[in-house]
Amino acid sequence: DSGVTQTPKHLITATGQRVTLRCSPRSGDLSVYWYQQSLDQGLQFLIQYYNGEERAKGNILERFSAQQFPDLHSELNLSSLELGDSALYFCASSVGVDTSYEQYFGPGTRLTVT
Amino acid sequence: GNSVTQMEGPVTLSEEAFLTINCTYTATGYPSLFWYVQYPGEGLQLLLKATKADDKGSNKGFEATYRKETTSFHLEKGSVQVSDSAVYFCALSADQGGSEKLVFGKGTKLTVNP
Repeated sequence: DSGVTQTPKHLITATGQRVTLRCSPRSGDLSVYWYQQSLDQGLQFLIQYYNGEERAKGNILERFSAQQFPDLHSELNLSSLELGDSALYFCASSVGVDTSYEQYFGPGTRLTVT
Repeated sequence: GNSVTQMEGPVTLSEEAFLTINCTYTATGYPSLFWYVQYPGEGLQLLLKATKADDKGSNKGFEATYRKETTSFHLEKGSVQVSDSAVYFCALSADQGGSEKLVFGKGTKLTVNP
């Protein structure tokens, strides 16, 4: 158990809908990272927040957004969903701001868009 | 840009066999290099890392040496166990657009048979 929790574990929704994925980091960790894992694209970095502020952006679509709240939990919002958004979404947390700090991954949320 | 290429899987070995999973990278500057492992149904876990040329990362019998001259970071283990069955990801951390991000290879699935 990494100490990072993600809810829900599974999500099935229809095209055009909007969903919110939630992540609670390990106690004491200030950074939260979001990743998307799909069969064709592999594991891709989406976005990082550090202590409530957006820190780095990767291949995140404009239809996707995220935020980190004062209690440090984070939410990833996916809107106007398409079939190609079906993937496993991971959250990771670390104590520091850069990648020299180990990232601890949650178990993921499996999103299926039908 | 920055990228990681690792050997295609799946790899199937018998218990106590020698394991090598090849990983090469392309990066500007001097990236840090990582191996992550993903057990079935779980998130990724950091297995080992190396932050500069000629560094050797090691953990749980696994080793990898940062080879700048060949831009490689091959993962090795002398004697695999059934419990090593998992997907292994090679990754690098490099500055992209003013912030550091992890870039992952596509993953190599390892199955170890008794």
